[in-house]
Amino acid sequence: EVQLLESGGGLVQPGGSLRLSCAASGFSFSTYAMNWVRQAAGKGLEWVSSIGNSDGSTYYPDSVKGRFTISRDNSKNTLYLQMNSLRVEDTAVYYCAKRTDGSGSRGGSFDIWGQGTMVTVSS
Amino acid sequence: DIVMTQSPDSLAVSLGERATINCKASQSVLYRSNNKNYLAWYQQKVGQPPKLLIYWASTRESGVPDRFSGSGSGTDFTLTISSLQAEDVAVYYCQQYDSTPYTFGQGTKLEIK
Repeated sequence: EVQLLESGGGLVQPGGSLRLSCAASGFSFSTYAMNWVRQAAGKGLEWVSSIGNSDGSTYYPDSVKGRFTISRDNSKNTLYLQMNSLRVEDTAVYYCAKRTDGSGSRGGSFDIWGQGTMVTVSS
Repeated sequence: DIVMTQSPDSLAVSLGERATINCKASQSVLYRSNNKNYLAWYQQKVGQPPKLLIYWASTRESGVPDRFSGSGSGTDFTLTISSLQAEDVAVYYCQQYDSTPYTFGQGTKLEIK
């Protein structure tokens, strides 16, 4: 069964750090680009980052650039999101999502999604 | 950034009737080199992650019922549900994946009338 399982969410103070993980199974993880997408309570979807399959290419929106770092370990079939200098407005459910292609900024749609992990930034 | 604007924000349709959701991109998401529109539609039910319905603007994802269809090109796109079923109650999002930052529409909440 194709599956993505996020972990690492929790409560953190403003200015703090958190590392999310996403364990992939049921497909050839190293073949596909991967993404993080977040959703604040009652709000829409916001793309957070993307990483190519093996070329190390990474992409971020301005809202997280310089604070978040996406990475992957293809030997462990795992995607990561290191989040530093967290702000209250980063509070959301964070989903990892598989892209249908391998790399590049002109990408593919997101065909597999995890169940999400909740990140709460509050003092 | 490409801004995606959906209309309407919410929609109530009777069971068995047609539902139509529109999505407009602030610039074209058609890539001339391969004549593909980098536009997807997702369905999100309460408490669940999004689910891919349509990609390349009109290609139905495997397993998606054929009552769902996508159309449009360039900047104007439509998701149509030909005969609404109770299980189609959800929020629907369009997304462009032509260029980063990948952007989603604000969502359209579909309910039963």
